[in-house]
Amino acid sequence: KAGVTQTPRYLIKTRGQQVTLSCSPISGHRSVSWYQQTPGQGLQFLFEYFSETQRNKGNFPGRFSGRQFSNSRSEMNVSTLELGDSALYLCASRGQGSSYEQYFGPGTRLTVT
Amino acid sequence: DQQVKQNSPSLSVQEGRISILNCDYTNSMFDYFLWYKKYPAEGPTFLISISSIKDKNEDGRFTVFLNKSAKHLSLHIVPSQPGDSAVYFCAASARPNLGFGNEKLTFGTGTRLTIIP
Repeated sequence: KAGVTQTPRYLIKTRGQQVTLSCSPISGHRSVSWYQQTPGQGLQFLFEYFSETQRNKGNFPGRFSGRQFSNSRSEMNVSTLELGDSALYLCASRGQGSSYEQYFGPGTRLTVT
Repeated sequence: DQQVKQNSPSLSVQEGRISILNCDYTNSMFDYFLWYKKYPAEGPTFLISISSIKDKNEDGRFTVFLNKSAKHLSLHIVPSQPGDSAVYFCAASARPNLGFGNEKLTFGTGTRLTIIP
């Protein structure tokens, strides 16, 4: 089975721009979660989608949004980028009925200048 | 408020010896705990987990111990190998639902483990 894939792997944007990141979960997985990793902060939960519905949301401003498509692929959008948004954005998927483990993609490294 | 804490940012261990990574949590609602390993430029890889109904879970060289009264868990790696050098994250989940919903994992800030040959 192919793992979780994320595109693009690297991205450089300037302040004020917006960005869209994409995630394809493991085939058959319907739950997709997004995390932000920054130095010293570990992984911070952004949101989780299941069957195209957002089921859980972390403590991030409204500039961070996401969606999930009928094929379980997910996108994350950040509008009006700030320097502090520079981070590694990780997507994870989980299979319904499986154990609790989430399987992560390689991440998208976003740099805001 | 850091609900999952890994107080040691780094740890160095001689190859062949035991590595012990520690994690503390404050939220008594957490009832499932996981350890992930992360290499640079890769996403975290699931290593081992434990439910709050157990106090120990073993998988090969990896053993996780849970002390609910102390809200503490530890990961033991024995014997340690050079390929174990990575950042290790402890994560916790509250009342997870196997069907759907509440997939949020709360992570610690990680411990960088270096195995010295």
